[in-house]
Amino acid sequence: EAQVTQNPRYLITVTGKKLTVTCSQNMNHEYMSWYRQDPGLGLRQIYYSMNVEVTDKGDVPEGYKVSRKEKRNFPLILESPSPNQTSLYFCASSPQSGRITDTQYFGPGTRLTVL
Amino acid sequence: GQNIDQPTEMTATEGAIVQINCTYQTSGFNGLFWYQQHAGEAPTFLSYNVLDGLEEKGRFSSFLSRSKGYSYLLLKELQMKDSASYLCAVPSGGSYIPTFGRGTSLIVHP
Repeated sequence: EAQVTQNPRYLITVTGKKLTVTCSQNMNHEYMSWYRQDPGLGLRQIYYSMNVEVTDKGDVPEGYKVSRKEKRNFPLILESPSPNQTSLYFCASSPQSGRITDTQYFGPGTRLTVL
Repeated sequence: GQNIDQPTEMTATEGAIVQINCTYQTSGFNGLFWYQQHAGEAPTFLSYNVLDGLEEKGRFSSFLSRSKGYSYLLLKELQMKDSASYLCAVPSGGSYIPTFGRGTSLIVHP
């Protein structure tokens, strides 16, 4: 089944404890991205990747890191999480970076709480 | 830069028709997406418009007017399961990355 998977789905952690949220897609998509969604603010892009070893900042990159060592995986790293990073996180992918008509396929979401 | 505006919330009755509007300002237009998002779930693609006019897809239709920077999503024969948030998204000129509006929460009641 074609899908985008994220792990964990739910996470409660404490300030300063490094964490990684994994994202994997099995559709051979070139483009992957991370969003956070907060009430009243909608979906905001954190980082995106056009292809392997190519990543770039979105609208709200502060406090986050990403890597794209393989096409299928795009982990989101919070080196020192803070309470303002409590949010619902979505990973997304789409087939080809050069085709803006491609729709994005979203993972199921990761609900993160930082205490 | 992007500026996308949608109503925050709308309510409608089961079986009725509802129109959700989206206005946008962008430095270069590359089309407009509509996504549906049920509470706590991932957004799912509904439609993509790049030319003016109405595109119909079953109970859902999407309209675009590029000169007015305006789009709407029309939902007919509303069902309870249509209660969700509807997100308008516009890629900025020369970009492949859509900026999302804050979404319109639609509540369908019996």
